[in-house]
Amino acid sequence: DIQMTQSPSSLSASVGDRVTITCRASQSISTNLNWYQQKPGKAPDLLIFAASSLQSGVPSRFSGSGSGTDFTLTISSLQHEDFASYHCLQTYSTPYTFGQGTKLEVK
Amino acid sequence: EVQLVESGGALEQPGRSLRLSCKASGFTFGDYAVNWFRQAPGKGLEWIGFIRSNAFGEATEYAASVKGRFTISRDDSKSIAYLQMNSLKTEDTAVYHCSKGRTQAGPWGQGTLVTVSS
Repeated sequence: DIQMTQSPSSLSASVGDRVTITCRASQSISTNLNWYQQKPGKAPDLLIFAASSLQSGVPSRFSGSGSGTDFTLTISSLQHEDFASYHCLQTYSTPYTFGQGTKLEVK
Repeated sequence: EVQLVESGGALEQPGRSLRLSCKASGFTFGDYAVNWFRQAPGKGLEWIGFIRSNAFGEATEYAASVKGRFTISRDDSKSIAYLQMNSLKTEDTAVYHCSKGRTQAGPWGQGTLVTVSS
């Protein structure tokens, strides 16, 4: 199985900050990497698919990059509604596997 | 607007069976695979399996934790995907979500809660 290592596990930031979250795969997954945002009690929302493609309706302050084993989710200027948990998911091969998640909190 | 709505979650005893439904709208359901995921209370996200479209033979794949117990199927005429869960275990307690697309895997439905307890 492909292991996904996500970091950091938690992050404190302020409105307006630029934030970066990283996922590393245990082997190359090409660009088969999605990013999700999850708020308490809600289903995850797809932000980025195929490593860098912005899902329809997602604000442009979210961006994704990377290929192979190293991937990054960047929020260019944090807004109040961005404080949530973020998850990466590899869809290169089954079983699909998630990173451990990053909880983004208000500093 | 693309929507997926899960239903069928309930409190069930270990060893029993349950069938979840995922009703889709806002897109041509038959053209897409459907993934199922779950999230146990206070835990991380877990992929359960997917079913591909008819064009790909409705092929299915499953996580090791559910293989042989869970079966995914679909009825394109109703735009519904199903998750048949047999031989339920207490560790199957979770919110179950379906999602559109095999690799894009989104959007997700709001989920339905399955509780397995005696």
